[in-house]
Amino acid sequence: AQSVSQHNHHVILSEAASLELGCNYSYGGTVNLFWYVQYPGQHLQLLLKYFSGDPLVKGIKGFEAEFIKSKFSFNLRKPSVQWSDTAEYFCAVNAGNTDKLIFGTGTRLQVFP
Amino acid sequence: GAVVSQHPSWVICKSGTSVKIECRSLDFQATTMFWYRQFPKQSLMLMATSNEGSKATYEQGVEKDKFLINHASLTLSTLTVTSAHPEDSSFYICSAAPGTYNEQFFGPGTRLTVL
Repeated sequence: AQSVSQHNHHVILSEAASLELGCNYSYGGTVNLFWYVQYPGQHLQLLLKYFSGDPLVKGIKGFEAEFIKSKFSFNLRKPSVQWSDTAEYFCAVNAGNTDKLIFGTGTRLQVFP
Repeated sequence: GAVVSQHPSWVICKSGTSVKIECRSLDFQATTMFWYRQFPKQSLMLMATSNEGSKATYEQGVEKDKFLINHASLTLSTLTVTSAHPEDSSFYICSAAPGTYNEQFFGPGTRLTVL
């Protein structure tokens, strides 16, 4: 069965620090990959997605992610975080031939001024 | 664009009653809608996938008779929790996709508390 692992459950950073959140998935075929963010009290919003093409994907608010097929990974990065980035981040995958999204357990990011 | 709404945003009910939650795509037609359940500090678990005009496809372990899903139009899907019990208390989130294998747009969620 497909699964998604996010190794960092809770990350605490100071403003301007660099961020990398890990995401690994288990599925051998074609996948579409997503990172969603959930700000406190708000609904899930799409940060970025990878369907095909350039494995380095740029999203909103300065986030980017790199798809490394050989490592089954899709890590999220941001060079300099801000206090407003405090939120829950979810990695999600769907196999190329389905509509279903499988979510990781989420990473809670806290950024202190 | 791509706004999904849910109603109600929160509901409290007595054990044994049924609760209906609506999910609407406001500015696009949703071929497929999804229903998720999110427990506190946990991830979203897909409950079922619904396509307009056909029966919903439930994930393993989700009771069809307890969680009734109706996708009556391209902009509306409903989830009815029948004979709710305290263990059904959770955060229910819907999403909608405009086409096959497309990005999903999420609603704000409905907090259900069963007393």
